[in-house]
Amino acid sequence: TQLLEQSPQFLSIQEGENLTVYCNSSSVFSSLQWYRQEPGEGPVLLVTVVTGGEVKKLKRLTFQFGDARKDSSLHITAAQPGDTGLYLCAGPRGGGADGLTFGKGTHLIIQP
Amino acid sequence: EAGVTQFPSHSVIEKGQTVTLRCDPISGHDNLYWYRRVMGKEIKFLLHFVKESKQDESGMPNNRFLAERTGGTYSTLKVQPAELEDSGVYFCASSQDLGDTQYFGPGTRLTVL
Repeated sequence: TQLLEQSPQFLSIQEGENLTVYCNSSSVFSSLQWYRQEPGEGPVLLVTVVTGGEVKKLKRLTFQFGDARKDSSLHITAAQPGDTGLYLCAGPRGGGADGLTFGKGTHLIIQP
Repeated sequence: EAGVTQFPSHSVIEKGQTVTLRCDPISGHDNLYWYRRVMGKEIKFLLHFVKESKQDESGMPNNRFLAERTGGTYSTLKVQPAELEDSGVYFCASSQDLGDTQYFGPGTRLTVL
């Protein structure tokens, strides 16, 4: 199983600030996904990146897939309290195995 | 359209007891996945059904875990007998086709005392 390392593990910033969280691996992934999870709920898919170097934007969120398809980043511009949550990256388990492998996630708190 | 539902939302049992978790996928989704998150660790894959067939159960921790999906609709995951290390949040996800977006349920929080 391919491993995904996310950093930072915890991040607390003030409303209006910018931030970037990272998802890294020593393995090449055919695609990576970013999920957001809120307390008491399951992960909800935000975006899937499939091409090395790809950049996708979702309002104030910008997702980038590394050129070598081993890493990804999520940048949030002018963070809002509603962005608070657990952000998870995930990718195919690889090697013909089904299902997804997840990182441990970044716990993000945006203080008003 | 109803999302993935899981029952119960919480379960507290004693070591050695049996617990059965249930997942109802989105209607029409042939693919059903079980995942588990143990405290401090990442969400880990347990197994994958395609309709009623187990496609991949390589993530099942041991033979105390039994998953079924009779009729290819809802699925159950039974833990018998439960051990302390089985505590965690068990997620179910479903997708229409292989490789499609997986939609996750809210999870069942299992605590084994």
